[in-house]
This record gives sequence, C-alpha cells and structure tokens, in this order.
Amino acid sequence: GESVGLHLPTLSVQEGDNSIINCAYSNSASDYFIWYKQESGKGPQFIIDIRSNMDKRQGQRVTVLLNKTVKHLSLQIAATQPGDSAVYFCAGSGGSQGNLIFGKGTKLSVKP
Amino acid sequence: GAGVSQSPRYKVAKRGQDVALRCDPISGHVSLFWYQQALGQGPEFLTYFQNEAQLDKSGLPSDRFFAERPEGSVSTLKIQRTQQEDSAVYLCASSFNGAGELFFGEGSRLTVL
Repeated sequence: GESVGLHLPTLSVQEGDNSIINCAYSNSASDYFIWYKQESGKGPQFIIDIRSNMDKRQGQRVTVLLNKTVKHLSLQIAATQPGDSAVYFCAGSGGSQGNLIFGKGTKLSVKP
Repeated sequence: GAGVSQSPRYKVAKRGQDVALRCDPISGHVSLFWYQQALGQGPEFLTYFQNEAQLDKSGLPSDRFFAERPEGSVSTLKIQRTQQEDSAVYLCASSFNGAGELFFGEGSRLTVL
C-alpha cells in the first residue's frame, strides 16, 4: 500500500545546531515530495519540495535529499532556531493532483 | 484576504448533528482541496475540486461526507449525522493550478460529543 512515514516522532536539538528529519516512503510511483511545517493551531506551511528526477534541492537554511533507491527523504535545517520548533511532515504525491500522502510528523524542539 | 480562510475555527457538535464547514480559497486559485487531520496524525486527503468540478472524492470516508463548490470559489464540507470518530481538524487548501504549491488554511477543529 501507499504510505509515507517518519523514522522518529520527536527530535530535540540545541539552538544553532543542524537538524535532520528523515522520512521513508513506499509508493514507487510518487514523483513529487514536499516538506511541510506545522505550528500548533495552524495549517501546514510549505517549506520545500523536490521532484523525483532530482536528488537534492536547497532553499534558505533548508536542504531536501531524495534517495529513490531506498525510498528515503530527509530535511536538513541549518543553524536551527527557536522559531523552527514545530511538527514537520513529509508528503508524497498520490493518485491524483493534490492527493498528497502525509506521514505522521516529527516534532522538532529547539533548546535555547 | 491574502490566505485561505476557514470557518468556523472551532465547532462542537452533538453526535447525530449535521455540520457545515466553510472554506474561502485564495482569490484566483483554481484548485481546492479538503484534508482531515486527526490528533497527532498527518493530514489525510478527502476531496479535490478544479473550479466547480469535484474531480476526486476518493478520500471521503463515508456517504455522510459531502463537499461542494458551486461557483468555483467558496467550498463547503458537510458532515451529516456526525459521529465521534469525525472529531478532527478539517483543513482546506488551494493552489493556483493544482500542480503547484498548496496553501493551507488554519483549519476547522470539529469535536463531536
């Protein structure tokens, strides 16, 4: 079946350190992956995306890595800040447009 | 407004009541999506509209769930005869053309007693 899941439910890092959040997916047909950040009481906010024809994409302080061989996705956040504290979801494209399959999420806590 | 607007933000219903949740997408966005997010879980796809056409409703959990977007703008998600398992946050998202970035609203939190 289709699933997108995360390896760890919680991650605690020191302010200024780099964070790495991992995600595994099972649907080989997924050709588009997105990372979302969700703060308490708010909707998911787009962070960065990557298509299956790429293995790396960089944004501002964030990098997404895609390993299609092992169906693994990761989000790297450089110099993590207290404002980065949130739940992070990976999502992969499903059967139709906008039908994204989300993982359960990883809660990132940043210690000052 | 500049973002996706949802109302009500919070809704408490007694089991068996009907509820209606409203979504105002970003102006000009052709595509509109509804997701259901249970506590501690990731969002799950419910349904997708392109303009007024409902192109995918495969995620609707039962025939008690109904969504419409009659004029291709505002959308309403209706849940009939609510059950406790319907308690969740219902997220609406819109995108310019369906293939691009999804912009989510803050959600409507439904609690069924």
